[in-house]
Amino acid sequence: EAGVVQSPRYKIIEKKQPVAFWCNPISGHNTLYWYLQNLGQGPELLIRYENEEAVDDSQLPKDRFSAERLKGVDSTLKIQPAELGDSAVYLCASSPSYGRAGELFFGEGSRLTVL
Amino acid sequence: LAKTTQPISMDSYEGQEVNITCSHNNIATNDYITWYQQFPSQGPRFIIQGYKTKVTNEVASLFIPADRKSSTLSLPRVSLSDTAVYYCLVAAEGSGNTGKLIFGQGTTLQVKP
Repeated sequence: EAGVVQSPRYKIIEKKQPVAFWCNPISGHNTLYWYLQNLGQGPELLIRYENEEAVDDSQLPKDRFSAERLKGVDSTLKIQPAELGDSAVYLCASSPSYGRAGELFFGEGSRLTVL
Repeated sequence: LAKTTQPISMDSYEGQEVNITCSHNNIATNDYITWYQQFPSQGPRFIIQGYKTKVTNEVASLFIPADRKSSTLSLPRVSLSDTAVYYCLVAAEGSGNTGKLIFGQGTTLQVKP
């Protein structure tokens, strides 16, 4: 079974440029999460989707970040414009509707460097 | 959700048993204790979960005392490849609870030859 797929793995951009990250969750997983991980820190939730609905986006900086999961499968996270402080790893995760408590399946992440 | 406290870092040598203890004093009745492992340049990976007493799988063992206010992840005979960050979390069932997982800084385990 394929795991959570993310692309690109690495992205280097200059500040003020836009950037987008793509995630394809494990087939059949209704819940999709985007996390931000800064160096030396644990992942922090940005947004959670239940199918195509964003049910928790309280931690998403909406002035520059946006996300979508139009058909309830794959998802895109966008930053526009990027700032120096956005340099981090962006992790996507998914979980099934009736999985174990606290069990998420993470992708390998997309590492963003803003110059 | 209950917050957890664990050591920032630990060192060990190959072949030794490593025990990482996590404190979760405010754990709720319906919370499960979950541990993740994260290697550099990879996402965290679920390794074990328990509710009470002892759970063992091919990767680790998890010991939970009766009051459930702490738990200990035990890695038997570690190797260099066990060098990673280990996160202790608590969560109840349901994606709404899973989505509120607080990862914290985790415990960076360094295994030396």
